Amino acid sequence: DGGITQSPKYLFRKEGQNVTLSCEQNLNHDAMYWYRQDPGQGLRLIYYSQIVNDFQKGDIAEGYSVSREKKESFPLTVTSAQKNPTAFYLCASSQTSGAYNEQFFGPGTRLTVL
Amino acid sequence: QKEVEQNSGPLSVPEGAIASLNCTYSDRGSQSFFWYRQYSGKSPELIMFIYSNGDKEDGRFTAQLNKASQYVSLLIRDSQPSDSATYLCAVNKGREGAQKLVFGQGTRLTINP
Repeated sequence: DGGITQSPKYLFRKEGQNVTLSCEQNLNHDAMYWYRQDPGQGLRLIYYSQIVNDFQKGDIAEGYSVSREKKESFPLTVTSAQKNPTAFYLCASSQTSGAYNEQFFGPGTRLTVL
Repeated sequence: QKEVEQNSGPLSVPEGAIASLNCTYSDRGSQSFFWYRQYSGKSPELIMFIYSNGDKEDGRFTAQLNKASQYVSLLIRDSQPSDSATYLCAVNKGREGAQKLVFGQGTRLTINP
């Protein structure tokens, strides 16, 4: 089955800890994205990547880091510098060749800081 | 002013009626617009995208775009209880390659049987 997988589904973090959220896609998409969603809010872009070994900051990159060593994988690290990390994190991917490429979303990871 | 604004609702519509969802955006240079549906606790799924002024129809859904007035709307005809969800409007600020989507806060729609 083609799609995007995210793990874990639920994650609990103690204050001061770094945690890494996994995102894998087998759609052969060039672009991958990370969003954050807070209750009752829309999605906000954290980071995106158009190609392996390259990525750009989105609107709320502070306290987050990413890597893109493989086309299929785009892990997100939530660092201790992120002051309010409790949120629903969504990974997405898309083609880059067309003008109106659909973004496909993974099932999400719900992060809670204890 | 938010870049993309939606009425957060909740919007309550009787089954079989037309649900009308609206979205306004601030960047006049925006080229493409997307409507996503998100069920509670789930990830968004694309319903429609539109990039030309006018209407675009797909089954029970019609997207409407008016670039001069900077608004996008989504009409759902013959509303069903399964249409109850949050609808997110997104505007693409990217020009090529990867998209840079800016989302509104979403409108929560409830279809009453």
